[in-house]
Parts: sequence; C-alpha cells; structure tokens
Amino acid sequence: SQQGEEDPQALSIQEGENATMNCSYKTSINNLQWYRQNSGRGLVHLILIRSNEREKHSGRLRVTLDTSKKSSSLLITASRAADTASYFCAPYTGNQFYFGTGTSLTVIP
Amino acid sequence: AAGVIQSPRHLIKEKRETATLKCYPIPRHDTVYWYQQGPGQDPQFLISFYEKMQSDKGSIPDRFSAQQFSDYHSELNMSSLELGDSALYFCASSPRGQGHEKLFFGSGTQLSVL
Repeated sequence: SQQGEEDPQALSIQEGENATMNCSYKTSINNLQWYRQNSGRGLVHLILIRSNEREKHSGRLRVTLDTSKKSSSLLITASRAADTASYFCAPYTGNQFYFGTGTSLTVIP
Repeated sequence: AAGVIQSPRHLIKEKRETATLKCYPIPRHDTVYWYQQGPGQDPQFLISFYEKMQSDKGSIPDRFSAQQFSDYHSELNMSSLELGDSALYFCASSPRGQGHEKLFFGSGTQLSVL
C-alpha cells in the first residue's frame, strides 16, 4: 500500500523533552504532511514539506524529508502536556492522502 | 473562520439499516474526502470528489455510495449496515484546484451499529 508507516507506535516522554516520530512511505510523493489528532476528534494539519525540500520548521516543529529513503521525521521540541495526541504522516501523491497507523504521544507533566 | 461541518455528530443504527452522513466543506473548497477510522486505527480513505465528480476511490465497500452536490456538500450513504461499520467517519475538504493541498477535517460522525 502507499500508506505512511509511523514509528514508534507509542511514545511517552516527560514535559520539556523532545519527541521524534518517523514515517516511511512506499511511492513517489508531491509532498508529505503531518497531522495531529486528539482522541476522537478530527485531524489537524501541522506542517507540509514538499518533495524538493529537505527540512522545514514551524514553531516547535521540525520536519525532515529524505525522498531517497522514502522517509520523514517530525521533531517536537520542548514538549508540553498539551502535545499529547496521535500524530500521523500523510504522503500526498498528487491525488490522494494515505494515513499511516500513527504515533501516540504522551507527554507527562 | 468557517470549518468543515459534519452531521450528525453521533448516529446509532441497527444491523441492516441504512445511514446517511453529511459533509459541508469550507466555502470555496472544491475537493472533499471521506475517511473511516476504526477504534485505535488509522484513517482509511474511502472516496474523494473534485468539482462534484468522483476523483478517487479507496477501500469503500460496495454497500456505500457517495456524491457531491452542486453546492459542494457531500453525502455518504451506507446501506445494509454491519457491526464492522461502527467507526468514526471523517470528511475533509481542500482547495485543491487552487493549488493548496492541505486537508481540513470536520469533527467526524461517530457511527455505532448495534
């Protein structure tokens, strides 16, 4: 499938620490996006990185993309309890978004 | 700012019944996507529409159908409901025709099939 696969599936850290989530995908993409989902709620777009970009920053978020390895990582710096949520990568093929299984992040106050 | 509106928020049905979920995209968004998310699972793409035409089809069962209307709202029709159809159904919209690829999600419809 073309789905993104996140790693790890679950991550628990202390407030103030950094959280890193990885994503691998299988096909060519136009861009790769990361979304966040609080339990039972709709997904919220966090950041988009285009296929010709290698790194992008937005506030406490840093995303990298390695198209040769078909992988991406999302780094959340100085985590807060409010960052507790599930995080999904979504490789965009130009026509479709495919979500992986997500990383469940728990930030302990 | 206007967001994607889905209705109903919760729906309880019996097996073999039908259900209709509605989605009202953000104004001027031309693309609508439907996703199904089971408990603890990732969102599974069902179907999408661009400018009122079906754009792509994912893992949508034959018992389900969807369409996008002239006002761009979309409806997901589900027939012969099964227990396994219990899930959170999300609609997302995007102004794809304007070169923007970000998805804006609604709050979802929680469907419970008893």
